[in-house]
Amino acid sequence: DIQMTQSPSSLSASVGDRVTITCRASQSISGYLNWYQQKPGKAPNLLIYAASTLQSGVPSRFSGSGSGTDFTLTISSLQPEDFATYYCQQSYSTPQFGGGTKVEIK
Amino acid sequence: QVQLQESGPGLVKPSGTLSLTCAVSGGSISSSHWWSWVRQPPGKGLEWIGEIYHSGSTNYNPSLKSRVTISVDKSKNQFSLKLSSVTAADTAVYYCARKGWAQPNFFDYWGQGTLVTVSS
Repeated sequence: DIQMTQSPSSLSASVGDRVTITCRASQSISGYLNWYQQKPGKAPNLLIYAASTLQSGVPSRFSGSGSGTDFTLTISSLQPEDFATYYCQQSYSTPQFGGGTKVEIK
Repeated sequence: QVQLQESGPGLVKPSGTLSLTCAVSGGSISSSHWWSWVRQPPGKGLEWIGEIYHSGSTNYNPSLKSRVTISVDKSKNQFSLKLSSVTAADTAVYYCARKGWAQPNFFDYWGQGTLVTVSS
């Protein structure tokens, strides 16, 4: 099985900050990496697929990069509605999610 | 706009079988997509359970495979999950979701989730 490790598990940031979340796969997954945002009591929402392609309707302050085993999700200027938990997910083989990164208000 | 809606008992007794259904609207379950179940224990992360294609082909999480059955009912445009021999560790919010058939694939539509509690 491919293991997905996210870091950090949580972070505190202020509105306007640049935030970077990392996801590492236990083996190469090429570019088959997706990112989701989840708010309390809601289903996950797709932000980025194939490592760097923005899902329709997602603000351009979100971006993704990486390939192979190391990937990043960047929020260029954190907005109040971005405080949530973020998950990576590999689609190279049977789906596996990372443990999540909770973005909290500083 | 595709919509998914989970339904089923919110309380299941230990050693029993958890049964949920996901109704698909706004699209056909016979489209080129995999139909998945994902769960999330309270306060924890997401775990993929398994998926089914309209042909009946299935893939399951190896850690749950011995207890999971996913089926599809094309006439009702819905698919179902059965998880047997449940314990308290199976208490979670269960989501159904759609995933594309071809790469790159991703979960683009989700149900709102339903909480299933395993307790006597």
